[in-house]
Amino acid sequence: GEDVEQSLFLSVREGDSSVINCTYTDSSSTYLYWYKQEPGAGLQLLTYIFSNMDMKQDQRLTVLLNKKDKHLSLRIADTQTGDSAIYFCAESPNSGYSTLTFGKGTMLLVSP
Amino acid sequence: NAGVTQTPKFQVLKTGQSMTLQCAQDMNHNSMYWYRQDPGMGLRLIYYSASEGTTDKGEVPNGYNVSRLNKREFSLRLESAAPSQTSVYFCASSQRQGGYNEQFFGPGTRLTVL
Repeated sequence: GEDVEQSLFLSVREGDSSVINCTYTDSSSTYLYWYKQEPGAGLQLLTYIFSNMDMKQDQRLTVLLNKKDKHLSLRIADTQTGDSAIYFCAESPNSGYSTLTFGKGTMLLVSP
Repeated sequence: NAGVTQTPKFQVLKTGQSMTLQCAQDMNHNSMYWYRQDPGMGLRLIYYSASEGTTDKGEVPNGYNVSRLNKREFSLRLESAAPSQTSVYFCASSQRQGGYNEQFFGPGTRLTVL
């Protein structure tokens, strides 16, 4: 079945790079997403990648996709305290109508 | 544009009480969703509505009912609340384009059942 796995917690110091990893199981997924949830708020789309790409860069964010291993990562360069949040990986299978499948989320804690 | 709005923001119920969580979107999206978020469990889909007039069960539908009132509004009803339904509830909407299905989320309703 569909399953998205992430590590639950990551702690870094301000100014370091953060790497959040995700594995997914549905090889038909056409898009993969990273959402950010700040404390007390809903989820907001941070970035996404199409399945025929292996890298996407957007300012401090770099998404890497390894389709063979079904592995997705999000790198945040120069991490700031404002990046402290929960980050969710999600996949969008391409089979009929379907919803997104979310991972359990990685809590990123950035210390000064 | 307000995006996705949810009411109420907070609610405390006693076991056995009923209530309806309201959700509305102003983006003309076809699809709407209800999730619950619990510590260590991530987001779990309760029900969704792919288009106006249709609703389908998600991963955890027991104890809930939904109504897609019109294209804008999708409500979630708890007929007889239980402490296990203490959670944060999120509504979302999307307009799928090909394989792209970005979901837009509301701010959530924090529900406590005593």
